[in-house]
Amino acid sequence: QKEVEQDPGPLSVPEGAIVSLNCTYSNSAFQYFMWYRQYSRKGPELLMYTYSSGNKEDGRFTAQVDKSSKYISLFIRDSQPSDSATYLCATTNTGNQFYFGTGTSLTVIP
Amino acid sequence: DTAVSQTPKYLVTQMGNDKSIKCEQNLGHDTMYWYKQDSKKFLKIMFSYNNKELIINETVPNRFSPKSPDKAHLNLHINSLELGDSAVYFCASRGTDKNIQYFGAGTRLSVL
Repeated sequence: QKEVEQDPGPLSVPEGAIVSLNCTYSNSAFQYFMWYRQYSRKGPELLMYTYSSGNKEDGRFTAQVDKSSKYISLFIRDSQPSDSATYLCATTNTGNQFYFGTGTSLTVIP
Repeated sequence: DTAVSQTPKYLVTQMGNDKSIKCEQNLGHDTMYWYKQDSKKFLKIMFSYNNKELIINETVPNRFSPKSPDKAHLNLHINSLELGDSAVYFCASRGTDKNIQYFGAGTRLSVL
């Protein structure tokens, strides 16, 4: 079993839609949860990170962690064509070893 | 000013050859990583160095040998390249905020 599971999609939505991206993880010891965005032919860039359970909001993006169900979510409001990318969830407990999901490919259609 | 830079961006080579990929970061970070991303976008850690010392060495064939001459550089040498080595290799670094990694743009390796 992989440490982090993520639906690879692809996901295609119209501009302005609310997007929900999800991951599950296996180890309850994981404390930190990250979302990375990766544009085509680029390296991943950190979008948001959260510690333990709860929500964190940054503009149109909201990251949510539910430790009881080992579920990680990223919500994108008012999605834009520039949001088209692959979104990778990741987690760590020590800050040394990071575990990534397989990424969800998102296309926002104008 | 690129924070984490990798060279080359593209590498096309024949099976059996030996090649190196270089990585440099100008962020002053102590920890650097090598990741392999396969065609399905799965990003898997290979190695991690902290201040020139190897701290993570995942199950990777010993044809792959990392080298860190100083904490700003982490190179990856691959011997006897195989078809299955074709992937995108990413270098990353991490500073005092343990949860934030900065990635390079990747090296696309194609083994023919």
